[in-house]
Amino acid sequence: GENVEQHPSTLSVQEGDSAVIKCTYSDSASNYFPWYKQELGKRPQLIIDIRSNVGEKKDQRIAVTLNKTAKHFSLHITETQPEDSAVYFCAAKYTDKLIFGTGTRLQVFP
Amino acid sequence: GAGVSQSPRYKVAKRGQDVALRCDPISGHVSLFWYQQALGQGPEFLTYFQNEAQLDKSGLPSDRFFAERPEGSVSTLKIQRTQQEDSAVYLCASSLQRQETQYFGPGTRLLVL
Repeated sequence: GENVEQHPSTLSVQEGDSAVIKCTYSDSASNYFPWYKQELGKRPQLIIDIRSNVGEKKDQRIAVTLNKTAKHFSLHITETQPEDSAVYFCAAKYTDKLIFGTGTRLQVFP
Repeated sequence: GAGVSQSPRYKVAKRGQDVALRCDPISGHVSLFWYQQALGQGPEFLTYFQNEAQLDKSGLPSDRFFAERPEGSVSTLKIQRTQQEDSAVYLCASSLQRQETQYFGPGTRLLVL
């Protein structure tokens, strides 16, 4: 069935460094790929998304790239700040539902 | 405007009890989704409504789980005869249309003792 793999499971960076999180998906029919940030005990919040007709999308310090051929997509955060510390989930849309990765716990040290 | 709201935020149930979890989607959002999030895991799809029609319930783990959205707005997820493995955060999400961005509620944290 449909599956999304996410790596790494934990990521520690120094403030100001970049962070990259990678995901792969199994269903070539997927055409929408959102990224959510979830702080402890809070709701998942959409931070950026990309559709399959676009290869890259950027919003200030956050960018997402998509390689449909390889079924890979990645989240890039530049100039990381302590408030970026959270769990990040990638997802792929299959029919109408979202299939989520297992999450990446990002820690940004001051 | 107001986001997706869920109630109760926390629920403790004894094994065997029935529980009902409520979701109020963003006003005007046609699509409504329920997800289950176990500790340390990503959300897993349970079921999906388009207005009052339940179009996909393939993620419901057993026939003890039942969801409804009778008037196409508020939705209730009911779990009968709760078991310890039902302990999780139950997230509701809504979107304006079926292909649009999903916005999540704060979740209901269910603990079954």
